Parts: sequence; structure tokens; C-alpha cells
Amino acid sequence: KNEVEQSPQNLTAQEGEFITINCSYSVGISALHWLQQHPGGGIVSLFMLSSGKKKHGRLIATINIQEKHSSLHITASHPRDSAVYICAVPDYNTDKLIFGTGTRLQVFP
Amino acid sequence: DVKVTQSSRYLVKRTGEKVFLECVQDMDHENMFWYRQDPGLGLRLIYFSYDVKMKEKGDIPEGYSVSREKKERFSLILESASTNQTSMYLCASSRSRVGSYEQYFGPGTRLTVT
Repeated sequence: KNEVEQSPQNLTAQEGEFITINCSYSVGISALHWLQQHPGGGIVSLFMLSSGKKKHGRLIATINIQEKHSSLHITASHPRDSAVYICAVPDYNTDKLIFGTGTRLQVFP
Repeated sequence: DVKVTQSSRYLVKRTGEKVFLECVQDMDHENMFWYRQDPGLGLRLIYFSYDVKMKEKGDIPEGYSVSREKKERFSLILESASTNQTSMYLCASSRSRVGSYEQYFGPGTRLTVT
């Protein structure tokens, strides 16, 4: 079974800072998902990527398949970026998503 | 845009009651999922369904059952609610294999069992 680890668990930043959240997994995958959950809110899919890099606004996700590692970067962070960020990978045999425990980000003005 | 809706945002039930949580998606997705989310434990899969009338157990199915009579609707049933089922319940859907397609989540139902 794939093991998914995220770091850090908690992150605080000042508005404008560059943020990096890391995700590593133990078994090769077809794609990796990054999700965002605001306090009290539902979960939104940010990215699904299988290689290289994807960018959406101030968010950038990268993946290194050989190293089994992905990063989520936030440029020019803003208080509205405060949320829990979760990475997830599909289990090869069952196709169920295996979730990391999440990174709680707080951005202060 | 894909929309996944859940019948209630907040729900309070008594121990022993039968509880129904409803989920509807409007994009003709094949796959539907029920998760629960607890502090420190993250998201855990309760049940999922790859097709109408089809269901498979997830990681924590005990105390729950599901029903999928129509493609767009996936119901989670707590046969006899207990206090340890107090949690946030999230429904999700995806077009097909989750390795290849995004998973879309509903807003969640915060259930309190007293």
C-alpha cells in the first residue's frame, strides 16, 4: 500500500511570502492530486499531475516521478490562501485515493 | 462545472437513530465515494461505488451502509447512530478511475450524535 507523507504539518507565513508544501509517496503512481480545504468548507481539487509542472494563478505544483516527490508552491501568499492542503495518490490495485494528513497553512497580513 | 451536493450541512441526531446522508452529482460520473474526516486522522474512505447498484467497502465500513439506486445519487446510511460517528462526512465523485480523473467533493455534512 502506498504511504503518503506531507511536510510540514503546520505552516505560518506573512503575507507575500513564498510557500512550499511537500509530499512524498512510497510506490509509483499514475498521477498525484493536490486538494485545498478552507476552514469549515468542502474540498477543492487544485491539481492533478503525472509529470513535470502545472501552474494556476499563484499556485504551482511540481512532481518528480523518479524521486516519488511532489511540491506545491504558493507565490506572493495572501491571507485567503489560509487552508489545509492535502496531497493524494491512487492506490494501484484498488484505484482508491490515499490521502496525506494535510498541511495547515496560515497566512497573516 | 461539476456540482456535488449533500442534503445537509449540519445534522444533529440521537444515539440509536437511523441516519440518512444524501449525495447528488450532476455530471454523470461513474464513481462516487463517501469519506469521513476527523482531526488528526485525515480523510478515510467508508464506501465507494463504481456503478449503479454496485458498492464496495472502503477502509472503515463498520456501522455504515450505502445505496446507489440511480447513477447521480449515493446515500450513506448509519443504521444505528453512535457518538463515535460524530464527524464531518464528505461525498465525492469522479468521472472514472481516480488515477486519471479529478475527484470532486461536496460541501460536507457535519454530523453530531448525542
